Amino acid sequence: GAVVSQHPSRVICKSGTSVKIECRSLDFQATTMFWYRQFPKQSLMLMATSNEGSKATYEQGVEKDKFLINHASLTLSTLTVTSAHPEDSSFYICSALRVDEQYFGPGTRLTVT
Amino acid sequence: SQQGEEDPQALSIQEGENATMNCSYKTSINNLQWYRQNSGRGLVHLILIRSNEREKHSGRLRVTLDTSKKSSSLLITASRAADTASYFCATDFSYNFNKFYFGSGTKLNVKP
Repeated sequence: GAVVSQHPSRVICKSGTSVKIECRSLDFQATTMFWYRQFPKQSLMLMATSNEGSKATYEQGVEKDKFLINHASLTLSTLTVTSAHPEDSSFYICSALRVDEQYFGPGTRLTVT
Repeated sequence: SQQGEEDPQALSIQEGENATMNCSYKTSINNLQWYRQNSGRGLVHLILIRSNEREKHSGRLRVTLDTSKKSSSLLITASRAADTASYFCATDFSYNFNKFYFGSGTKLNVKP
């Protein structure tokens, strides 16, 4: 149990376009999900906390207008990278909270050309 | 930064040897968890240790937690080439329940 999926696993987009990444908890409901970003050879940085039915809370330094988060249901959170630029290229990982443990998705590799 | 620090940053050992990685953090925690990440892949949860626990075992893994020193260690015994990966600790701070902040990671290379 406690499986989290992400879609797509890889995406390449052109600079200036927007990209949506989905995070789904497949076998449990999650009122709270988290989004992380990982640059090559670096650790995971928490970007924001996604709360079902309310606005996401963003970590300091993360632009909320650039990284739009929607937690539309108890099993789905989406991260939209708006007006993507090459510096947004990164590995984006989500997690879903069940009780007090986070279950991580497999990640989405975004490349902005 | 709320991130913890891990050391060493990189560790290279021979198969069969033990590997020890350390994690230090700055403020009081609820839980500390260790994860493994193979290159370019997702995270694999290894072990969770709560703030009122001092040691936990899982197979070849042994985790200790010293809250007075704000540090934890992960010991992998009898390492295998398949253990080659990056290892991260993640802390869940008392004032920010359930939000994880990851350490900088240790890149382990186990040579066959």
